[in-house]
Amino acid sequence: SQQGEEDPQALSIQEGENATMNCSYKTSINNLQWYRQNSGRGLVHLILIRSNEREKHSGRLRVTLDTSKKSSSLLITASRAADTASYFCATDATGDSNYQLIWGAGTKLIIKP
Amino acid sequence: DTAVSQTPKYLVTQMGNDKSIKCEQNLGHDTMYWYKQDSKKFLKIMFSYNNKELIINETVPNRFSPKSPDKAHLNLHINSLELGDSAVYFCASSQDLRGRAADEQFFGPGTRLTVL
Repeated sequence: SQQGEEDPQALSIQEGENATMNCSYKTSINNLQWYRQNSGRGLVHLILIRSNEREKHSGRLRVTLDTSKKSSSLLITASRAADTASYFCATDATGDSNYQLIWGAGTKLIIKP
Repeated sequence: DTAVSQTPKYLVTQMGNDKSIKCEQNLGHDTMYWYKQDSKKFLKIMFSYNNKELIINETVPNRFSPKSPDKAHLNLHINSLELGDSAVYFCASSQDLRGRAADEQFFGPGTRLTVL
């Protein structure tokens, strides 16, 4: 089942600009993860933020989590052409005894040189 | 060294055929998954195995049968292939999940299946 919804579905910006993608979900979570998928490749884990955390950084990536609004955002600063990819959020819902991740539909990010 | 590998990368076959996709991980993980990604990029869990035991079996046709000979391998066998089976299939692995929240998953490169 699809719990997360990314927004926007597609985003096209100039190289050097910042890119912001949002993810909304429906149930309480243990953690939320962001993944990147380059065209024709598998998904790559970017960052995991736990439900008791509000912000996390990794290099040019900044993730925020607002559990009251059931939403998260991924900010990529100083974008590069290599950041062109699809970005997915995935949530680990509390009470799910199977511990499976629930995936959003993804945001397609295009960085124009 | 490739962490999660899948073979083949591309698979083109006729309707009605039976095919298998193989997956191997060398990360020492206890849990492995099969996902299906459709043309709209929706990622749907199909199966999950933990230490060779099936723990997730989403609603997929019983033409799909996973087989885990050991915890490093999870193969997917598909009988009587249909046009709607065309998609990209991803294998993934993660540390043992039992008793705690889901950890990051490591994905294979995918197998693009085309059924003609």
